[in-house]
Amino acid sequence: EVQLVESGGGLVQPGGSLRLSCTASGFTVSSKYMSWVRQAPGKGLEWVSVIYSGGSTYYADSVKGRFAISRHNSNNTLYLQMNSLRAEDTAVYYCAGGGDNGDDLWGQGTLVTVSS
Amino acid sequence: DIQMTQSPSTLSASVGDRVSITCRASQSISSWLAWYQQKPGKAPKLLIYKASSLESGVSSRFTGSGSGTEFTLTISSLQPDDFATYYCQQYRSYSRTFGQGTKVEIK
Repeated sequence: EVQLVESGGGLVQPGGSLRLSCTASGFTVSSKYMSWVRQAPGKGLEWVSVIYSGGSTYYADSVKGRFAISRHNSNNTLYLQMNSLRAEDTAVYYCAGGGDNGDDLWGQGTLVTVSS
Repeated sequence: DIQMTQSPSTLSASVGDRVSITCRASQSISSWLAWYQQKPGKAPKLLIYKASSLESGVSSRFTGSGSGTEFTLTISSLQPDDFATYYCQQYRSYSRTFGQGTKVEIK
């Protein structure tokens, strides 16, 4: 079965760090464009970051310099390292996979809460 | 960055109605546009890609059109399962921005 499963969310203090994981099954993460998308409580979708199949990475201005996307082919997992976290980073974080035909694969989401 | 603006923000309609949602890009994105449906507590679901191509398994009630800077998602005959929030997303640029969403609610 083709699926994505996120993990690693939780409660963290402002200024802290967290690493999210997204484990893929049924396909290889290096074969697709893999993205992180977040959704603050009661708000819309916000694109966060993407890593292309060739390895290029891009970030939203709101997280540039604080977040880092990566993938490990050995365990078929996508990561999002989040540093210097702020209250406004509180959201459900989704990983998504796709390509030139949009993002057709999504995980179930993992909640990150930044609060003291 | 390319900004995406959806209208309306909320749409009240009845089962069987034909409804349309508009998405405008701040600059040309050719046909690099996708539409997603999201229900509360669930991940988004891809409906349309490349502005007008229907994702496999998605009902033909959904139609996408447009190119350049103006795009439309049309639901031909609204069904109970279609009440949800819809988002457009451009993927012309490396920053793959979303519109702010349109909530389709029961009239």
